[in-house]
Amino acid sequence: GNSVTQMEGPVTLSEEAFLTINCTYTATGYPSLFWYVQYPGEGLQLLLKATKADDKGSNKGFEATYRKETTSFHLEKGSVQVSDSAVYFCALTYQAGTALIFGKGTTLSVSS
Amino acid sequence: GAVVSQHPSWVICKSGTSVKIECRSLDFQATTMFWYRQFPKQSLMLMATSNEGSKATYEQGVEKDKFLINHASLTLSTLTVTSAHPEDSSFYICSARAGGGEGTDTQYFGPGTRLTVL
Repeated sequence: GNSVTQMEGPVTLSEEAFLTINCTYTATGYPSLFWYVQYPGEGLQLLLKATKADDKGSNKGFEATYRKETTSFHLEKGSVQVSDSAVYFCALTYQAGTALIFGKGTTLSVSS
Repeated sequence: GAVVSQHPSWVICKSGTSVKIECRSLDFQATTMFWYRQFPKQSLMLMATSNEGSKATYEQGVEKDKFLINHASLTLSTLTVTSAHPEDSSFYICSARAGGGEGTDTQYFGPGTRLTVL
């Protein structure tokens, strides 16, 4: 079946450190891939997305590249800030209009 | 744009009572809305998919008679937890998808509703 696997958290970093959160997927066909972020006490917000192989999604300094050959969509940021502390969810839809399938989420904690 | 609201943001109720949660798309028409449930420190689990004007499609293991979903208009879907029990306590999140055209695979999420059943 279709599924998303994220690296286990929590991830604890110092401000300005480099961030990678790994995400791999299993899906039939060609899914669209997403990263959502959930700040403490808030709902999920779309961070970035990619809809086809080799697409790179980017937003707020975060980026992720759709790698079909490795079925991955790793999230990266060159220099994290305290305000980036949140839970990050990798997700996919395998067909436009269908519900998202989420990974378990990775908690990021950034200290100054 | 693409704002989804939920009401209430939190609710406490007694066991056996029913609770209604509203999900509204404020600046777009949502042909499809999804209801998710999130347990503490866990991922979101899809409960049901609702399309405007038709019956909701429930995921396996979700009791449709307990979690009543109505999607009466293109901007409003409601989830009613009937005869709530403590095990129904959770964070309920809705999302909405715009109908047709570019970006229809993007869902916009509401801020969630925290339900506590005593």
